Amino acid sequence: GAVVSQHPSWVICKSGTSVKIECRSLDFQATTMFWYRQFPKQSLMLMATSNEGSKATYEQGVEKDKFLINHASLTLSTLTVTSAHPEDSSFYICSVGQGGTEAFFGQGTRLTVV
Amino acid sequence: KQEVTQIPAALSVPEGENLVLNCSFTDSAIYNLQWFRQDPGKGLTSLLLIQSSQREQTSGRLNASLDKSSGRSTLYIAASQPGDSATYLCAVRGGANNLFFGTGTRLTVIP
Repeated sequence: GAVVSQHPSWVICKSGTSVKIECRSLDFQATTMFWYRQFPKQSLMLMATSNEGSKATYEQGVEKDKFLINHASLTLSTLTVTSAHPEDSSFYICSVGQGGTEAFFGQGTRLTVV
Repeated sequence: KQEVTQIPAALSVPEGENLVLNCSFTDSAIYNLQWFRQDPGKGLTSLLLIQSSQREQTSGRLNASLDKSSGRSTLYIAASQPGDSATYLCAVRGGANNLFFGTGTRLTVIP
């Protein structure tokens, strides 16, 4: 299956700063990548669909100006959490695969905002 | 909107026991259903993918079934081992290509 690498695995940042999370598809050219968020003891919720060369599609309730997504190549999508606050602390994870294919996930990024 | 439910939320079994995890979904118009394993603080590992036209898939000690019309899937784990301890998630793929996840079943296999 596809190998998806996410960086960093964990990050601690101060409130008000911005954090960038990278998602790389190592062996699969992904025109579409997906970003999910998982709060403690809850399931994964889709935040946005990242489209190579065009704007991301955000799910209802997700602030596009706060969670900036850039998908500049077929192998890299980035999620930037701008002006992070403690309530943004969560587990962020990306995936590739669409249509009838299998979905593959990165290892996730644990963000803690202090 | 698709809703996915997993029962039970947690399960503890002695090593060697066979077990069944349940997943139900409200909208039967799905492309596929996928079972994942998630270890604490880690990403998701894909276990089995069942296309909407299929009824089951097998991989080693794992067998997943799908009854699309009734909105149900089961994951059967044979001869459980302590290394099987993890949270198991099922997810269905709808028409927009995104996955809808259940809340998971936290499995503990006791040596």
